[in-house]
Amino acid sequence: EDQVTQSPEALRLQEGESSSLNCSYTVSGLRGLFWYRQDPGKGPEFLFTLYSAGEEKEKERLKATLTKKESFLHITAPKPEDSATYLCARGIREKLTFGTGTRLTIIP
Amino acid sequence: EPEVTQTPSHQVTQMGQEVILRCVPISNHLYFYWYRQILGQKVEFLVSFYNNEISEKSEIFDDQFSVERPDGSNFTLKIRSTKLEDSAMYFCASSERPGWETDTQYFGPGTRLTVL
Repeated sequence: EDQVTQSPEALRLQEGESSSLNCSYTVSGLRGLFWYRQDPGKGPEFLFTLYSAGEEKEKERLKATLTKKESFLHITAPKPEDSATYLCARGIREKLTFGTGTRLTIIP
Repeated sequence: EPEVTQTPSHQVTQMGQEVILRCVPISNHLYFYWYRQILGQKVEFLVSFYNNEISEKSEIFDDQFSVERPDGSNFTLKIRSTKLEDSAMYFCASSERPGWETDTQYFGPGTRLTVL
């Protein structure tokens, strides 16, 4: 069964306090690991795609990394506007299988 | 920047009624998807569609659901006889290449469906 598990469920950080979000997944048939950002009442907004272990991608204060069984989303010196739910999804065949997300709150 | 659009943003219907949710995918994309998200739960895949055919569907996508590309720009999801448990956010997504090539799927803003 496809499994994507994200931790923690929720994370509160002070502005400027760096941290990492975790996504673990079942390995078989992985064809891509995706990170999305979702604001309340909105659709998922694409951030990164990672295809192979060791790959890293960066965008502003976010960096995504991939190992054989996990992906991390590192957030450096976050700002209040980074507050959102961050979703991890694995690609298999036609579909994306999502985790439940990490709800990130950045306190000014 | 091209984006996926969805209408309506909110649909309220009575149990047993038919609803049609509409989506306009990104113009050069050929692969289309519907997902749903029940409040407080994860985003779940419903169906993928290419070349006027369903290419994959989940167990959720039963005979009450259907999809159609009625013209060159719209992509629709029909629920024939809505149930209370169909209340959710429905997201349309599109990609330039097929999902099995792990091309990025871009999501619309969603339609909130409320079944009373």
